[in-house]
Amino acid sequence: KQEVTQIPAALSVPEGENLVLNCSFTDSAIYNLQWFRQDPGKGLTSLLLIQSSQREQTSGRLNASLDKSSGRSTLYIAASQPGDSATYLCAVTGQAGTALIFGKGTTLSVSS
Amino acid sequence: GAVVSQHPSWVICKSGTSVKIECRSLDFQATTMFWYRQFPKQSLMLMATSNEGSKATYEQGVEKDKFLINHASLTLSTLTVTSAHPEDSSFYICSARSGDGPQHFGDGTRLSIL
Repeated sequence: KQEVTQIPAALSVPEGENLVLNCSFTDSAIYNLQWFRQDPGKGLTSLLLIQSSQREQTSGRLNASLDKSSGRSTLYIAASQPGDSATYLCAVTGQAGTALIFGKGTTLSVSS
Repeated sequence: GAVVSQHPSWVICKSGTSVKIECRSLDFQATTMFWYRQFPKQSLMLMATSNEGSKATYEQGVEKDKFLINHASLTLSTLTVTSAHPEDSSFYICSARSGDGPQHFGDGTRLSIL
């Protein structure tokens, strides 16, 4: 059974710092991996999607990498801002068309 | 972009009440919809998968008679929590996809049972 783990569970940094969020999954046979952002009491905003054949994806200050063989992904946030404060969720899909399996998330707090 | 509307966003009701949550894809046809539940400080857990026109597939441990799912059209799926009890209080989120495309999520429904 696929399990997704995110470390750390919470992270507090001052504005401007670069930071890395970690995600690991137990079954390397994934179809794709996604990083989401969730604000308190809200739904999910998709940040980056990496297909199993890809190594990384970039969007603005965000860069996500994928090492499928080792079951790991990282989300790198450059020059963090207070507006980046949210919970970041990592999720994987085992096969095309199937549901996402989520980690518990990393709650990020960026202070000004 | 693809938009999924979930309604209501917040429900408070008495124990024993049935509550219906709607999930609509506004600008695309959702061949598959997923229903997730999220308890505080926990990850989203899949409850069921529904394909338009067929019965939903429930995850292990999810009571299909308690959580009724209807996906009667390509733009609408409903989740009805029947005879809700305080332990059903949670954050329910739907997502919708067209074919093998990415999942698009609604904003969620916070359900509080008194």
